[in-house]
Amino acid sequence: SQQGEEDPQALSIQEGENATMNCSYKTSINNLQWYRQNSGRGLVHLILIRSNEREKHSGRLRVTLDTSKKSSSLLITASRAADTASYFCATVSHGNNRLAFGKGNQVVVIP
Amino acid sequence: GAGVSQSPRYKVAKRGQDVALRCDPISGHVSLFWYQQALGQGPEFLTYFQNEAQLDKSGLPSDRFFAERPEGSVSTLKIQRTQQEDSAVYLCASSLGTGQGDSPLHFGNGTRLTVT
Repeated sequence: SQQGEEDPQALSIQEGENATMNCSYKTSINNLQWYRQNSGRGLVHLILIRSNEREKHSGRLRVTLDTSKKSSSLLITASRAADTASYFCATVSHGNNRLAFGKGNQVVVIP
Repeated sequence: GAGVSQSPRYKVAKRGQDVALRCDPISGHVSLFWYQQALGQGPEFLTYFQNEAQLDKSGLPSDRFFAERPEGSVSTLKIQRTQQEDSAVYLCASSLGTGQGDSPLHFGNGTRLTVT
């Protein structure tokens, strides 16, 4: 089944820096979503971008989607220690209602 | 309730035992999903309910796994004759929409199952 794959998988940055992570997928999609997961907790929805959108902002988050390259990026600006978490992209492909998650990016923000 | 609630939070089972994991979704949410998450991996889809109807169970790894949502609200995931490879975190999610991708999923904190 089609699945997003994040790159890089582990990122360690200083507080205040920006964090960028990428996600690629294999088939045509309806939309792409990003989720955050703190250790030992469930996933929290961050942002949804539809296949006809190219960029979306939500607070310190910026998501881009390039359907021609089948890729998306998540940028967290001015990172905070509380942003330390794993970040997952998830996609729903055409003709398949299954929401498929990638392996995740672990982000550590050092105070 | 305020969010998706799962119980128990932790479950240790001896190999061969049956377990039942409960999920209380957000009130009014039509869709309910179960995912399995191995350590260091992303969640893997198990099954999907729309109200009480189980519309997709293609992710269930074997016939030892069974899920139900008889009244379209609370759901139970049952695993019979547990095996060590069943050890994982089982996540439940609900959403207001009727598709798997048209509205955000709200996740519970999961049940960590350890089979010894």
